Amino acid sequence: NAGVMQNPRHLVRRRGQEARLRCSPMKGHSHVYWYRQLPEEGLKFMVYLQKENIIDESGMPKERFSAEFPKEGPSILRIQQVVRGDSAAYFCASSTGQGSFNEQFFGPGTRLTVL
Amino acid sequence: GNSVTQMEGPVTLSEEAFLTINCTYTATGYPSLFWYVQYPGEGLQLLLKATKADDKGSNKGFEATYRKETTSFHLEKGSVQVSDSAVYFCALSRNTGTASKLTFGTGTRLQVTL
Repeated sequence: NAGVMQNPRHLVRRRGQEARLRCSPMKGHSHVYWYRQLPEEGLKFMVYLQKENIIDESGMPKERFSAEFPKEGPSILRIQQVVRGDSAAYFCASSTGQGSFNEQFFGPGTRLTVL
Repeated sequence: GNSVTQMEGPVTLSEEAFLTINCTYTATGYPSLFWYVQYPGEGLQLLLKATKADDKGSNKGFEATYRKETTSFHLEKGSVQVSDSAVYFCALSRNTGTASKLTFGTGTRLQVTL
């Protein structure tokens, strides 16, 4: 059973470009979470999605950031008009969503560098 | 709101030394508590968890006890190995009956030397 897949692993963008980060959850998992890790900091929650629904986006910046988890295909975190401050590691996690203690399994992350 | 505070690193220990990484939390209600480990270049792996007061989570020689009275969840290991070198994150999630986000501490880097 493959784990959580994220791609690309490394992404370099120039200021003003768009970044698209993909996350394929573990088989059987219908819940996806995105977290951002700035250099030398802990992970900060961004958004929580189920298939075709955003459940909690309280950690998402109000502008330029969006996320989706379509019925078919991976979850996408999209950052428009990137700025240097967007440089970070972006981690996706998935879970079954069953029960209040269900474990979140993390992917290896996408490291975004904005030049 | 919810928050997690953990001791700053880096923590440098010799192999076979005793490890303690302090973690305290602030939360409404009774959260679940977790320790995650991140090896270089990798994602986070769940190390152990505790879901109610006085529970002790343990795994791979690591353990932590959920202390409601001191709002703490300190990570301990009796004898560390070089392979334990990593960044350790304390985290909590609310017990709402449904899945919910994790709130993380800033992480503590552990370096174990021979």
